[in-house]
Amino acid sequence: GAVVSQHPSRVICKSGTSVKIECRSLDFQATTMFWYRQFPKKSLMLMATSNEGSKATYEQGVEKDKFLINHASLTLSTLTVTSAHPEDSSFYICSARVSARPSYEQYFGPGTRLTVT
Amino acid sequence: DAKTTQPPSMDCAEGRAANLPCNHSTISGNEYVYWYRQIHSQGPQYIIHGLKNNETNEMASLIITEDRKSSTLILPHATLRDTAVYYCIVRVASSGGSNYKLTFGKGTLLTVNP
Repeated sequence: GAVVSQHPSRVICKSGTSVKIECRSLDFQATTMFWYRQFPKKSLMLMATSNEGSKATYEQGVEKDKFLINHASLTLSTLTVTSAHPEDSSFYICSARVSARPSYEQYFGPGTRLTVT
Repeated sequence: DAKTTQPPSMDCAEGRAANLPCNHSTISGNEYVYWYRQIHSQGPQYIIHGLKNNETNEMASLIITEDRKSSTLILPHATLRDTAVYYCIVRVASSGGSNYKLTFGKGTLLTVNP
């Protein structure tokens, strides 16, 4: 299957700082990538949809100025959590959709555990 | 709105087949059934998908009823490493529109016991 990587896998930052998370599709091109957030014992919640070369589409209630998404190439999308606060601590997961396949299945990265102190 | 219904939890003995049900009574003709699983503290893993025919791959089999209102994911010989939350999701296979997103429900926690 298609492989999606994320970096870093874990990050601890101080309140008020910004953190960048990278998502890469390793063996396929992804015109569309997705960013999810997952709190403990909860299901994944879609934050935004990222299309290569255009602005991301954010889900209702997600602050676009706080969660900056850039999808500058067909294999890389980044999520920057700006001015992070403890309530932003969560498990962030990216996903990439295989555009070349008719059923458009998605593959997920391993996730990034963010802890804001 | 939830489009699928799954039992919150199931148990299975190691080596036995695990049959995970999913109801999707409002599924549309152009919607696929996707199955993913999430092992604790990892990203979701794609398992299988289907439209109306039964499907099989190296991980599992997907049985879709003739009316497409329900399906069953079958892990033929469950191992301890199959313990995970399994998500059944219905979605159209298209390049755009608001209904192309994968929306995760609560899934089924499958526990494989030794």
